[in-house]
Order: sequence, then structure tokens, then C-alpha cells
Amino acid sequence: SQQGEEDPQALSIQEGENATMNCSYKTSINNLQWYRQNSGRGLVHLILIRSNEREKHSGRLRVTLDTSKKSSSLLITASRAADTASYFCATDATGGFKTIFGAGTRLFVKA
Amino acid sequence: EPEVTQTPSHQVTQMGQEVILRCVPISNHLYFYWYRQILGQKVEFLVSFYNNEISEKSEIFDDQFSVERPDGSNFTLKIRSTKLEDSAMYFCASSGLVSYNEQFFGPGTRLTVL
Repeated sequence: SQQGEEDPQALSIQEGENATMNCSYKTSINNLQWYRQNSGRGLVHLILIRSNEREKHSGRLRVTLDTSKKSSSLLITASRAADTASYFCATDATGGFKTIFGAGTRLFVKA
Repeated sequence: EPEVTQTPSHQVTQMGQEVILRCVPISNHLYFYWYRQILGQKVEFLVSFYNNEISEKSEIFDDQFSVERPDGSNFTLKIRSTKLEDSAMYFCASSGLVSYNEQFFGPGTRLTVL
């Protein structure tokens, strides 16, 4: 079954450092998305990258997609304490009405 | 900025009772979704809804679950006879016609079944 899996499961860094999270999936996708979730809160959409794109930027976020390896990475540059959250990748099946989330990476940025 | 809203924020119910979770999607969106997240686990897809019918549903979405868009603004998830294992955060999401994969999520309803 199609599934996004992130690694590492947890990441602890100092403020100002970069944070890299990876996601792997199993089947062909139309696009891949990254979401953030603060503890006990809803999901915030960060960025969508389409299957024909290799890299995308949004502010301090950089997402790459390698469809040959079925993997994606999310880079947060110059991290801040406010970036502390769980980050999920999500992939869609062909047709796009069913989004599958990975287990997430818990990022902790120490001030 | 438009946002998805959900009510109530927290619902406590007895096992076997019916619950209705409510969502108001972003007004010009046409695709609607429900997800759930059991504490400490991943977000799980339940159902998607478009043009007044279910587009896709997961194995979790059995006969105990139903969705409805009773009017032009609300989107509801009903659980007919709640079980202990239904305790979770339930998230509603909506997306527009053009970027239907870019889903906007509500803050969630925490359902506790006792």
C-alpha cells in the first residue's frame, strides 16, 4: 500500500542550525506534500511538490523530490524555536482524493 | 484569511452513543475530507467527499460512519455507535477545484469515548 514514512522519527537541534527530514513512499504519486503540526493542534500545509518537479522553495523551506528513489526531503534552514513541531509528508494516490500521511518527524529546536 | 472551522473542539461521549462532528469548510472549496489521528499515531484518511457524494473512503470508514453536507456550508461526520477505539482527534479538511491536493485543515475535534 502507498505510504509515506519519515526519518528520523525525532530530531533535536540548536536554534540557527538546519533541519533535514526525509520521507519515503512506495507507489507512484501525483504530488507530495509536507505538513506541520504543533502539539495538539491541526495540520498546517507547508508545501506541495508535483511529481514532475525536483525542488521547491518557500521561505526557509526547501523540498526535494526524487521519484526514481521514491523519496523526498524537507530542509528548514536557520531553524527557530518556533519551528518545534511534528512534520509529516503526505502522498496522494492517482486521482488525488485520498491522502496518505507518514508517521512524522518530531523536531525540537532548542533556543 | 479564510479557514476551516470545527465544532466542538472537544467531545466526550459514552460508548454506544452517536456523535456528530461538525466542520465548516472554506467557502469556495468543493472537496471535503475527514481524517483522524489517534493519540501518538499518524493521521489516517477516512473519507473524501465531492459533489454531494463520497469520492473515496478507507477501511476505517465502515457502516458506523457517515458524512453529510446538510446545507451549503456545513460538512458533518456522524459516528452511529461509538466505540472506545474511536477516541481520537478528528480533522476536517477542504480543498479547491484547481489545487485539490492542497488541503486546508481545521483545528480538529478531540473525541473521547468513555
